[in-house]
Amino acid sequence: RKEVEQDPGPFNVPEGATVAFNCTYSNSASQSFFWYRQDCRKEPKLLMSVYSSGNEDGRFTAQLNRASQYISLLIRDSKLSDSATYLCVVNAQTGANNLFFGTGTRLTVIP
Amino acid sequence: GAGVSQSPSNKVTEKGKDVELRCDPISGHTALYWYRQRLGQGLEFLIYFQGNSAPDKSGLPSDRFSAERTGESVSTLTIQRTQQEDSAVYLCASSLVEGDSPLHFGNGTRLTVT
Repeated sequence: RKEVEQDPGPFNVPEGATVAFNCTYSNSASQSFFWYRQDCRKEPKLLMSVYSSGNEDGRFTAQLNRASQYISLLIRDSKLSDSATYLCVVNAQTGANNLFFGTGTRLTVIP
Repeated sequence: GAGVSQSPSNKVTEKGKDVELRCDPISGHTALYWYRQRLGQGLEFLIYFQGNSAPDKSGLPSDRFSAERTGESVSTLTIQRTQQEDSAVYLCASSLVEGDSPLHFGNGTRLTVT
């Protein structure tokens, strides 16, 4: 079983739609979690960290479910500029090389 | 402040030549990672440096690949006798180690081996 798994998509949604991605992780000791955005032929950029209490940044909401070992990303009122690949990253042990990347979920927002 | 800086941004080389890629991490970031990303693929871990500890080289695909880092400063990734399958974007990232520190990526070096 992979350390981190994501649905690769693609997700094709109309502008204004709400879309959600999940990412499951296998190591229950995982400590920190992140969502990154990667545009075509660009480097990944941090979208948001994921905290136990859940966190929101504008149209983006991230949540952590430790019991079921998954994190989620919700995008409301999708914009064309949200089209990208969304990567989840799980750090199983702070201070050591225990960073695991999902393969990414591709989102295309359609006019 | 300055982000992670990588050079060159693009490199075209002939098969069999050696190449050296450079990464300047964010000042104060003790952790430094190298990743490889082939077109349309996910990130492939290569090597991890943490302060003055021995690096984790478990991701290096062959002995043609090596990397160095002096203390908490610049790192270089060297690929000897390049092969066409080495063509990819090589991404460097750095982070603080404490707490919930995310990775910050450089723009990458796009390597093309002809």
